[in-house]
Amino acid sequence: DAGVTQSPTHLIKTRGQQVTLRCSPKSGHDTVSWYQQALGQGPQFIFQYYEEEERQRGNFPDRFSGHQFPNYSSELNVNALLLGDSALYLCASSLPDRASNVRYGYTFGSGTRLTVV
Amino acid sequence: AQKVTQAQTEISVVEKEDVTLDCVYETRDTTYYLFWYKQPPSGELVFLIRRNSFDEQNEISGRYSWNFQKSTSSFNFTITASQVVDSAVYFCALSEAIGGNNHKLIWGLGTSLAVNP
Repeated sequence: DAGVTQSPTHLIKTRGQQVTLRCSPKSGHDTVSWYQQALGQGPQFIFQYYEEEERQRGNFPDRFSGHQFPNYSSELNVNALLLGDSALYLCASSLPDRASNVRYGYTFGSGTRLTVV
Repeated sequence: AQKVTQAQTEISVVEKEDVTLDCVYETRDTTYYLFWYKQPPSGELVFLIRRNSFDEQNEISGRYSWNFQKSTSSFNFTITASQVVDSAVYFCALSEAIGGNNHKLIWGLGTSLAVNP
């Protein structure tokens, strides 16, 4: 059973460019969350997608946008890249706990390491 | 606001030593979940444990044990008889409800553990 798959694994972009990162959730998981992890920091929540809609957003500018497809896979788009966008971008998928219906079980991918030069 | 503090930035031990990683949290939620994740150099976040705020029982899993004390808002992690393969960055995280049954994770800055032979 494949876990969370992210592509590409590494990416180098020039300041001002646009980038699209992709995530395939773990089989059976219907919710995808994106996190940004700068070097030496903990992950920061970007947003969460469920039923193809953005359900909640962290403190990130509108340059960060996303999409979820009917097969639950997701994309993260970043426009007008800044040097400060250089980070590891992590995708996490989840499904409701059977007993409580709460979504708190997150499976993370290996991430996409984005370098903006 | 929700907050997770991991005061230890780096810890270095010799193999077979016991080591405790500290985690202190702040939350206004009455129901919440606490997590520990391991992040090896590959970048993937590996789930170690989830603890419900209503369950203060300590847990042991092999060489790993967790001490949850609600009175001091702490959720410490102990590795007994450490091994070189335990070398990684360890993150403590706290769930924050974001509507419906969905949560996002608030992360500490991580503790980098180096286990030397």
